[in-house]
Amino acid sequence: AQKITQTQPGMFVQEKEAVTLDCTYDTSDQSYGLFWYKQPSSGEMIFLIYQGSYDEQNATEGRYSLNFQKARKSANLVISASQLGDSAMYFCAMPDNDYKLSFGAGTTVTVRA
Amino acid sequence: NAGVTQTPKFQVLKTGQSMTLQCAQDMNHNSMYWYRQDPGMGLRLIYYSASEGTTDKGEVPNGYNVSRLNKREFSLRLESAAPSQTSVYFCASRLYLEAGELFFGEGSRLTVL
Repeated sequence: AQKITQTQPGMFVQEKEAVTLDCTYDTSDQSYGLFWYKQPSSGEMIFLIYQGSYDEQNATEGRYSLNFQKARKSANLVISASQLGDSAMYFCAMPDNDYKLSFGAGTTVTVRA
Repeated sequence: NAGVTQTPKFQVLKTGQSMTLQCAQDMNHNSMYWYRQDPGMGLRLIYYSASEGTTDKGEVPNGYNVSRLNKREFSLRLESAAPSQTSVYFCASRLYLEAGELFFGEGSRLTVL
């Protein structure tokens, strides 16, 4: 399985501020992609954003953007203008050689009013 | 739109008992997956089925068996439950093995006493 590392177990952010979640990966593949998922306290897994390594522009979906830095092997998720509903656990995931997704350990984000 | 449906949502077993988690998707996806989620460890792949008629081991297959009953259904069986199998189990599907995001069921919380 690919090694996916999320070094921040928990973060606090003030409402309306931006927060950056770190994700680093270890791959020798030339072509790969990275997914981010959100898991609120209710438990379901919600797909947020995806970017392939050959995409020239960083992916953006509403308030979510993916900051790919291939030289550093990192793909950080930026949530702009945080809302209370953004409080959740966030996972990054990457396909391995057999296309199966491997997940990081997750980062818990708590948005404060 | 049901998406991915898994049953049961909650189950308590005694050590040594057996049970089957059921999963069905109505999106005509080819690939299906079973993950387990444990605190601090993200999601780990138990088994997957790249397409109807095939199944393969993931990262943590010991103690589990799977059946891809048809294109829609993928079940996970615990033959002799152990306390180490206490976890939240997620079924997921993907249009193709190689592409697209994973769509998850709501999860099944299993406790083995």
